[in-house]
Amino acid sequence: GAVVSQHPSRVICKSGTSVKIECRSLDFQATTMFWYRQFPKQSLMLMATSNEGSKATYEQGVEKDKFLINHASLTLSTLTVTSAHPEDSSFYICSANSGLPTFNEQFFGPGTRLTVL
Amino acid sequence: GDSVTQMEGPVTLSEEAFLTINCTYTATGYPSLFWYVQYPGEGLQLLLKATKADDKGSNKGFEATYRKETTSFHLEKGSVQVSDSAVYFCALRGGGGNKLTFGTGTQLKVEL
Repeated sequence: GAVVSQHPSRVICKSGTSVKIECRSLDFQATTMFWYRQFPKQSLMLMATSNEGSKATYEQGVEKDKFLINHASLTLSTLTVTSAHPEDSSFYICSANSGLPTFNEQFFGPGTRLTVL
Repeated sequence: GDSVTQMEGPVTLSEEAFLTINCTYTATGYPSLFWYVQYPGEGLQLLLKATKADDKGSNKGFEATYRKETTSFHLEKGSVQVSDSAVYFCALRGGGGNKLTFGTGTQLKVEL
């Protein structure tokens, strides 16, 4: 099946620094990728939808300048958390849409645990 | 807007017990419905899906039926195993779109 990877799986950083998280579709081309944030014992919150070659569409309440998303190719999207603060600590999950004609399934990455000290 | 409501967990069962996790939804049009499973430290995996009313999705002994009249998509398994311990998310995708709306997740713990 389709595989999505994320890197890094865990990252710890100091407050005020920026962190980049990569999301790759390994064996398929993903025209659309999604970035979610998951709080402990809570559901996934969609942050933004990323289309290759165009600007990301952010959900209401998500700061565009805080969470920079780049979808430079059909297999790679990146999320950069700029000037990270402790409240940005969370589990970030990406997914990629395979765009298969029969079923537009989203395949999820394993997630990245961000801890901001 | 679209929403998904799941029963709160954790749900703790003994091995071989019957499992039901309730899920109801609110959506316009004709959404597709999904159950995803998240094992500890991992991302979400699609467990099963149903794309129209009365469809039954099934996988690995789990099943759920798309009930339009009750706007429900309850997850069931006849005999759970310890390896089924995970968090289960009910989700919907509105007609014509790609976005998934998730419920809050239900943690299942299966004990020997």
